[in-house]
Amino acid sequence: NAGVTQTPKFRVLKTGQSMTLLCAQDMNHEYMYWYRQDPGMGLRLIHYSVGEGTTAKGEVPDGYNVSRLKKQNFLLGLESAAPSQTSVYFCASSYWDASSYEQYFGPGTRLTVT
Amino acid sequence: KNEVEQSPQNLTAQEGEFITINCSYSVGISALHWLQQHPGGGIVSLFMLSSGKKKHGRLIATINIQEKHSSLHITASHPRDSAVYICAVRSTFGNEKLTFGTGTRLTIIP
Repeated sequence: NAGVTQTPKFRVLKTGQSMTLLCAQDMNHEYMYWYRQDPGMGLRLIHYSVGEGTTAKGEVPDGYNVSRLKKQNFLLGLESAAPSQTSVYFCASSYWDASSYEQYFGPGTRLTVT
Repeated sequence: KNEVEQSPQNLTAQEGEFITINCSYSVGISALHWLQQHPGGGIVSLFMLSSGKKKHGRLIATINIQEKHSSLHITASHPRDSAVYICAVRSTFGNEKLTFGTGTRLTIIP
């Protein structure tokens, strides 16, 4: 199993450009998450999904959109990138039952907006 | 005030020392998680706790629900333990999500 993969690993954008980050998981997990990680701050939830076709806002959703058309994929879009969106982005997926819950993280995408 | 506070922010110790990292939280929780972020950036889960204590190898995690406090201990620390350790909680409501602390950067010197 590849686990959770993210594409691309690095990207540099100019202000105003758009891009889509792809997250894929092969563990048949229902839940998927997008986080951003900035220096001195904890991981902050951007958007999440509790199943195919569903999405919900997290703590810092402004400037981002997401889609979960297929259970294994969760896409994060930046329509008009801003320097404040320079960050490391992590995708995660999880299963959840009565006795267990664990999030599996992708390797991260380092995005710089100039 | 953040819902999840960790201390210390940075910790440097000699190889072999006993390490303690603390986590305090302010909300009702269904579980607390400890994660490790390697220098290369990868994040892995170490423990999930809802009560008591768990041990895995040289790592021990404890939680006191009444005091809203958890500790992560590392015995016989080794340079390969150098990483950022992150505490996260699942609140009683909305418990399909985690709220993260800012992490403790641990450096073990040979």
